[in-house]
Amino acid sequence: DAKTTQPNSMESNEEEPVHLPCNHSTISGTDYIHWYRQLPSQGPEYVIHGLTSNVNNRMASLAIAEDRKSSTLILHRATLRDAAVYYCIPYTDKLIFGTGTRLQVFP
Amino acid sequence: NAGVTQTPKFQVLKTGQSMTLQCAQDMNHNSMYWYRQDPGMGLRLIYYSASEGTTDKGEVPNGYNVSRLNKREFSLRLESAAPSQTSVYFCASSEVGRNQPQHFGDGTRLSIL
Repeated sequence: DAKTTQPNSMESNEEEPVHLPCNHSTISGTDYIHWYRQLPSQGPEYVIHGLTSNVNNRMASLAIAEDRKSSTLILHRATLRDAAVYYCIPYTDKLIFGTGTRLQVFP
Repeated sequence: NAGVTQTPKFQVLKTGQSMTLQCAQDMNHNSMYWYRQDPGMGLRLIYYSASEGTTDKGEVPNGYNVSRLNKREFSLRLESAAPSQTSVYFCASSEVGRNQPQHFGDGTRLSIL
């Protein structure tokens, strides 16, 4: 299984962009990169996923490095509701959750 | 918009008691999963069912059994609960494939005394 490295925590102010990095240097060529987030006392919530190209949806953007060894989740304008733990997961045949990045958002 | 529904939401058991956690999804997904999450940790996969009629062990299956009752329902059973099984349990479902997102329930908070 591909190993991932994410910062333990990050901080942002409300309405500022947030860039959450993830290193996954051992990812295989067919593994999709998934991002989930977990708000306090809730189950994980799917955010976005991609294979090679950058991806956008209503929640976020995903920028994938050309060599696929890293990716960045971009929240364009952070809100208080975005405070959560964010997990970056190379999807092999199952999701392997690490400890993720805890994002704090300040008003 | 029910999605994935887990029951019960909270439960306290005594050591040695048995219990079944229920999970149902209304998205017509083929695959279903059971995870546990201990304090300060990420989720760990207990069992999964790639399709109706099949189940497979995940990372931490010891002490648990599962039943894929039909396409909608996937239950997790603790035959003889132990304090080490105190955790939050999440059920999820998805379509088959690495490009398919998983959808999670709100969890069952289980305490074993």
